[in-house]
Parts: sequence; C-alpha cells; structure tokens
Amino acid sequence: GAVVSQHPSRVICKSGTSVKIECRSLDFQATTMFWYRQFPKKSLMLMATSNEGSKATYEQGVEKDKFLINHASLTLSTLTVTSAHPEDSSFYICSARTAMNTGELFFGEGSRLTVL
Amino acid sequence: AQSVTQLDSHVSVSEGTPVLLRCNYSSSYSPSLFWYVQHPNKGLQLLLKYTSAATLVKGINGFEAEFKKSETSFHLTKPSAHMSDAAEYFCVLTGGGNKLTFGTGTQLKVEL
Repeated sequence: GAVVSQHPSRVICKSGTSVKIECRSLDFQATTMFWYRQFPKKSLMLMATSNEGSKATYEQGVEKDKFLINHASLTLSTLTVTSAHPEDSSFYICSARTAMNTGELFFGEGSRLTVL
Repeated sequence: AQSVTQLDSHVSVSEGTPVLLRCNYSSSYSPSLFWYVQHPNKGLQLLLKYTSAATLVKGINGFEAEFKKSETSFHLTKPSAHMSDAAEYFCVLTGGGNKLTFGTGTQLKVEL
C-alpha cells in the first residue's frame, strides 16, 4: 500500500517556540492531506484539510494562526504549531489520499509533541 | 449528517478465542466503511474496507467484517485472537464528499 511518512516522530520544545511537523507521501502524489490531533485515549479530531497549491480548510474551533498548514507540493504538507504552549501537547497525525480517491486514507506514524 | 458508534470502548478476550468489535453507522449516502488499527504511539493501519462490493470483507491478519445495511452495522471479527492483536481499533465512515467520520475507538485487550 501507499506510504506516508511523518517527521519528527517525537519533539519536545519550550513554551513560546514554534515546531514544524512534516508529512510526506513517499510513493504517490497526494493532492489532499489531512491533519488530525489525538488526545490520550481519544479518537482522532480532524484539524484541517490541506490542499496542494491552495489554502488549507480548517475545522471549526481550530485556530488558523496557531496551526499553520502549508501544502507546497504534491508530496509534502507541513503543520507548524506557532508559539506553542503546554496545552498544545498532543499526538498529531497526518493522512493522505491517492489520486484514485477510493476513500481509503493512508496515515503517517504520528508525531508526539510535548511542550514544556 | 453521518455518525459512527462503536458500542464498546474496551473489549477483553483470551488468546485463541473469537474477537467481536461492534460498529454501527448512520449515513444519508451510500457509505464506505473502514476499520483501522492503532498500536501505541503509532499511526493508523488499514485492516479492511467496504466500498459497495461484497458485503463480507476480508482484511489483513485474519480480520473480517460484514456490512449489514438492514442493521446499519459493520462489525469486526476474528476467529482466534492473538496477543499481537492488542491495540485500539477505529471504525471509520465516509459518505458524500471527503468527510471522514471516526468512531470513538475500541481498546482490545488480549489475555493469556
């Protein structure tokens, strides 16, 4: 199946700094990628839909200026958590669809962010 | 509107015994349904999917699920649980458009 790579898998940062998480589709082109946040022992919460070459579509309640999403190419989307605070600590997961768009999503391995 | 209900937040089975993880859905469109598995601190891996073809779907690692429209269900089963099956399982629905709806997850525990 298609492979989605996420980097870094774990990151620890100080409060007030910014952190960038990358999501790459390794063997396919992804016009659409999705970013999720997962709280402990909870399901995935869709944060935003990232479209190549255009602005991301954010879900209600997600701060656009806090969570910057860039989808500059067909294989790369980035999520930048700006001025991170401890409450931003979470597990962030990206996913992507292939061009065939069968509905199946391929997920990255996730990135554990800890803000001190 | 669409929704997914995973009826059990936790399921515990003995190794070698059958597994049943329940999922019910609601959708105004013809649904596509998926089961994903998540091991601790990992991303989600697709187990199987239903996309309007055969109603009995076989997936990886011996899992299968049956789409029952009359019951609006898509329960996940496995004849014999293995220790490595212990994980979180998510039932996911996609109806019209790109919107995916996740169930709240079922934590499967496998005991010796």
